[in-house]
Amino acid sequence: EDQVTQSPEALRLQEGESSSLNCSYTVSGLRGLFWYRQDPGKGPEFLFTLYSAGEEKEKERLKATLTKKESFLHITAPKPEDSATYLCAAGGGSNYKLTFGKGTLLTVNP
Amino acid sequence: DADVTQTPRNRITKTGKRIMLECSQTKGHDRMYWYRQDPGLGLRLIYYSFDVKDINKGEISDGYSVSRQAQAKFSLSLESAIPNQTALYFCATRSSGQGANYGYTFGSGTRLTVV
Repeated sequence: EDQVTQSPEALRLQEGESSSLNCSYTVSGLRGLFWYRQDPGKGPEFLFTLYSAGEEKEKERLKATLTKKESFLHITAPKPEDSATYLCAAGGGSNYKLTFGKGTLLTVNP
Repeated sequence: DADVTQTPRNRITKTGKRIMLECSQTKGHDRMYWYRQDPGLGLRLIYYSFDVKDINKGEISDGYSVSRQAQAKFSLSLESAIPNQTALYFCATRSSGQGANYGYTFGSGTRLTVV
């Protein structure tokens, strides 16, 4: 059974304090590892896809990396507007279904 | 207009009632999905459809049914709502022609409360 586990469940940072979110996965035939941002009351918003170990992608203060078992979302010098729930999902198998983790609630205090 | 539109945004219904949640998309995607989101459980797949004639059960399909009326429309029905179906429901779309760099596009969600 495919599994995606995110840690920590919640993370509180001060503005400018860099940190990382973890996503570990067990997926048969991984075809893509996705990161989403979700704001309260809204649908998840696509951030990145990674599909091979060693790959990295960046967007503003966010950088996602991938190994054979884990993905990390690094947040550099975060701002309060980065506060959101960050979801990790793994897509695998012939049907390319996504299995989601439970998310990390990030709060950045000014 | 949003790429993926869900209606209603909020709904309160009584136990035993039939309710339909609707999803329409303007992205021209062939693949559509219904997920539910519960606090502490994350997003779980209910049903998915690869085209109008291809509908598949997800991991938690019991108590739900779907209808793909057209490529752009995918409805989720609760035949007899029960309180543990209270959740946030999301519709998502994807094109089979897109590469792995494109994730799903989600709607804004329907918050359903069954009392």
